[in-house]
Amino acid sequence: NAGVTQTPKFQVLKTGQSMTLQCAQDMNHNSMYWYRQDPGMGLRLIYYSASEGTTDKGEVPNGYNVSRLNKREFSLRLESAAPSQTSVYFCASSERWDRNYNEQFFGPGTRLTVL
Amino acid sequence: RKEVEQDPGPFNVPEGATVAFNCTYSNSASQSFFWYRQDCRKEPKLLMSVYSSGNEDGRFTAQLNRASQYISLLIRDSKLSDSATYLCVVKSNFGNEKLTFGTGTRLTIIP
Repeated sequence: NAGVTQTPKFQVLKTGQSMTLQCAQDMNHNSMYWYRQDPGMGLRLIYYSASEGTTDKGEVPNGYNVSRLNKREFSLRLESAAPSQTSVYFCASSERWDRNYNEQFFGPGTRLTVL
Repeated sequence: RKEVEQDPGPFNVPEGATVAFNCTYSNSASQSFFWYRQDCRKEPKLLMSVYSSGNEDGRFTAQLNRASQYISLLIRDSKLSDSATYLCVVKSNFGNEKLTFGTGTRLTIIP
């Protein structure tokens, strides 16, 4: 099993350009997430999808859109990139096996620079 | 006030020593607690869940103090391979799988 995969690994954009970050998981998880990680800020949730066909905003959704294409795939789109969106983006997935505990499995990340 | 707060470090500790990190959380309704480990330029991975009674996994011991709203991680007999950033993670709501991450504590084990 590959776990959670993300493409691309690195990307440089100019301000105003658009792009889509792709994420796929092969663990048959219902829930998927997009985070960004910035120095001194920790991981912050952008959007999440509790199940196929549903998406919800997280802590920092402005400037992003998501699509839960099917159970496996969850994409993140930047319509008009801004320098403030320079960050490392992580996709994650999880499946609740106990109502109290929840492990999230992360992809390797996408390092995005917006000039 | 941040929902989850950690000392960012860095902690520089000689190999074989014992090191402890604390983490505080602000939401008294928080239900589940975890420590994740993140190596440099890699993704976070679950190290261990933190149970109310405390739990141990080899050289690692996690404790939860609900009254004072803090979580601790103790690493005994530290190894060079323990060098990483340790993320304190809290889940606040039943029926909601969203996690809140601390900014992490950076640990370097010195030979």
